[in-house]
Parts: sequence; structure tokens; C-alpha cells
Amino acid sequence: DQQVKQNSPSLSVQEGRISILNCDYTNSMFDYFLWYKKYPAEGPTFLISISSIKDKNEDGRFTVFLNKSAKHLSLHIVPSQPGDSAVYFCAASGDNAGKSTFGDGTTLTVKP
Amino acid sequence: SQTIHQWPATLVQPVGSPLSLECTVEGTSNPNLYWYRQAAGRGLQLLFYSVGIGQISSEVPQNLSASRPQDRQFILSSKKLLLSDSGFYLCAWSVSRKRQYFGPGTRLTVL
Repeated sequence: DQQVKQNSPSLSVQEGRISILNCDYTNSMFDYFLWYKKYPAEGPTFLISISSIKDKNEDGRFTVFLNKSAKHLSLHIVPSQPGDSAVYFCAASGDNAGKSTFGDGTTLTVKP
Repeated sequence: SQTIHQWPATLVQPVGSPLSLECTVEGTSNPNLYWYRQAAGRGLQLLFYSVGIGQISSEVPQNLSASRPQDRQFILSSKKLLLSDSGFYLCAWSVSRKRQYFGPGTRLTVL
């Protein structure tokens, strides 16, 4: 049973428009959520996170929204840039060992 | 500043051969350490994590093992590789729940 799901394997948007990446989770014990960005043949890099006590966190062009009742979070990128093209992983954590459960990723392509 | 080293970058091994991947972290003490595997087109599967020297927790039954002989050294091993062990292996560290820092990864191909 996959506890973190990213149902869209890919997303294509035009430069300057908004990119919205979605993530659903099933485990109610998750209380911290993270987004990572990954380029091919590299390790993921941290992008933004949100605690379950909040419903929104913003950092520059990136905003993460959390809907606990729906067990859903989304990452908004505005405006999208070609350099944002990468695989985006949603991750969720629920224990103090810092373990995270990752989704399968969404490949974002931003077209010039 | 903290850095994480992982080697080798790529590895091609025959079925049945042993494996040893090494990961070291610099610039931090007593980190949590993790080994992940990413299969083609899939997400990151947590294989092992460690909260201290000699403390290893396995997340999934498999053909692999991990060891932490020093505070900032994490080793992934196998006695006999299987074809299904092919993948992209990532080491990561953290000191809190807030984020993990990943190494550059090792591309393992078992033939």
C-alpha cells in the first residue's frame, strides 16, 4: 500500500504560467511534509516543507498548501521557469528518526 | 559547511558478485543516515536508516545489508548481487525531521 501518492507522472506548462503539483497521503500519523526537486543522475535537493499545524508555506516562487482533512498537499510554482524542469518528489514524515516516505514523483516540463 | 560523499558514481557488476557502496558525511555530528534506492521511473524506496553507530534499521526485506562503523560513515553491502538489485542508490543524512541532504548517488547495473 503506497502511503504517499503523486497521481500525475508528468506535467507540462508554459513558461510564466503556474505549475501545480499534487500529492495525496493515507497515513494520519504523517505530520511533516516536504517537496524535493531532482535532476537526472543527481540526488534530490530540498525545496520547501510544511508542518501539519499550518496550511500554507511560501518561499519565493514556491508555495505549498496542505489540506489535512483531505490528506492532500500541493506545490505551486509561480511563475514557472524552464530551469524548474525536473522531477518533483513529495515526501511525508511521521517520526523522530526523520524517516520520510516518498511518492513516485512528477516530471515537470516548463516550455519556453 | 556540511557535505556528503558517495562513491562510486557508476558501477557495473555481474550477478552473484559482492557489493560495497560507501557514504561519508562531513561537517556534522551524529547525523541520521539513510540508504534509498530509486528504480527506473519510481520514487525513492527507503532501504536502511541509522540513528547512531552500529544502529541499523531495515525497512524492507532484501538482498542487501548496511553498516555504520563510524559516526559519519554508512556502507551498503551485498554478498551476492541479483539482477533486481539494479538501480540508483542514494545516501542521505539529516539532523532533524525538517529535511534530508542527499548525496550524488550511485548508478548500479547488475548484468
